[in-house]
Amino acid sequence: EAGVAQSPRYKIIEKRQSVAFWCNPISGHATLYWYQQILGQGPKLLIQFQNNGVVDDSQLPKDRFSAERLKGVDSTLKIQPAKLEDSAVYLCASSLVPGRGRTNEKLFFGSGTQLSVL
Amino acid sequence: AQKVTQAQTEISVVEKEDVTLDCVYETRDTTYYLFWYKQPPSGELVFLIRRNSFDEQNEISGRYSWNFQKSTSSFNFTITASQVVDSAVYFCALRAGGTSYGKLTFGQGTILTVHP
Repeated sequence: EAGVAQSPRYKIIEKRQSVAFWCNPISGHATLYWYQQILGQGPKLLIQFQNNGVVDDSQLPKDRFSAERLKGVDSTLKIQPAKLEDSAVYLCASSLVPGRGRTNEKLFFGSGTQLSVL
Repeated sequence: AQKVTQAQTEISVVEKEDVTLDCVYETRDTTYYLFWYKQPPSGELVFLIRRNSFDEQNEISGRYSWNFQKSTSSFNFTITASQVVDSAVYFCALRAGGTSYGKLTFGQGTILTVHP
């Protein structure tokens, strides 16, 4: 079974430039997440989609970050304009929709995009 | 507010040693869920376990075991007879019962290095 695919693997930009990350979740996974992992810290949820609707974006800096999920499958996360503090690994994850009897709440993560803002 | 603290930043052991990774959490919710994830050098986080706040039974899975103690708000993870392949960053995480499925609050992580 194919895992969560992310691209690019690495990205280096200068501050005030824009950047976009792409994620393709596991086939059949209705829920998709974007997490930000700053060096030395645990991941922090930025936004969560279920199908193509937003479930939670309370921690997304909406003045510069945006995300969409095309047709409930692939997703893109954009930063415009980037700041130095946006340097981090951006992780995409997916999961099945929670349901009765589904107790493991297992998220499947991609390998991430490492962003360096200079 | 929720918080997860992993006080051990780095642990180094020699192969076959047992090692325990500590996790302490804070939450005001009576219903919550605790997790452990492993992050190998490849970068993707790998799910290890989920426990709910009403189930304090310890769990063993092969060389892995977890000790959940509500009285001390701890959810510690032990690897028995460690192997080089266990080298990774390990994260403890928490989700409050009222928050959305998958909205995890992670600790800072513990870097485990197992030397041959």
